[in-house]
Amino acid sequence: QKEVEQDPGPLSVPEGAIVSLNCTYSNSAFQYFMWYRQYSRKGPELLMYTYSSGNKEDGRFTAQVDKSSKYISLFIRDSQPSDSATYLCAMGSGGYNKLIFGAGTRLAVHP
Amino acid sequence: SQTIHQWPATLVQPVGSPLSLECTVEGTSNPNLYWYRQAAGRGLQLLFYSVGIGQISSEVPQNLSASRPQDRQFILSSKKLLLSDSGFYLCAWSPNRDEQFFGPGTRLTVL
Repeated sequence: QKEVEQDPGPLSVPEGAIVSLNCTYSNSAFQYFMWYRQYSRKGPELLMYTYSSGNKEDGRFTAQVDKSSKYISLFIRDSQPSDSATYLCAMGSGGYNKLIFGAGTRLAVHP
Repeated sequence: SQTIHQWPATLVQPVGSPLSLECTVEGTSNPNLYWYRQAAGRGLQLLFYSVGIGQISSEVPQNLSASRPQDRQFILSSKKLLLSDSGFYLCAWSPNRDEQFFGPGTRLTVL
């Protein structure tokens, strides 16, 4: 079993839709959780960072962490074609900031 | 503000040739530095990390090596490339907090 599982997609939605991206994990030692956005042939860009269970909102993006279920989500409201990218979840438990990444979900938002 | 550079952006090398990829960070001091490899459609695999000059930890045994000759410089090397070394190589830095910030990447093709 992988430490972090993420559905690779692709996920195709119409512009304006609410998008839900998810990751599950098996290691209960993970303490902090991140979402990265990666455009084709570019480096990942940090979108959201959360440390505790619950929700964190930043503009159209909401990150949700449920430590009891070992499940994290990223919601994108009013999705735009510019949101088309691969979204990577990542999580860590300390120790020189070593992160474990999901495989990434490819999202396409069509006009 | 902090900036991370990687070069070259793309590289095509024959099997058995040497490799040197360079990463530099500006605007910070004593960062943690990381080398990742991303295979097509897969997540990021941590190759090496460094918490200081001359301090390198290897995560995956392979024919690659890393060096940190200066505080903000991280180099990935190989004496003889294999076909399996092809991929997208990403350098990242962390300000000793949880987040990691990625460079633009180097796309390596070994023929």
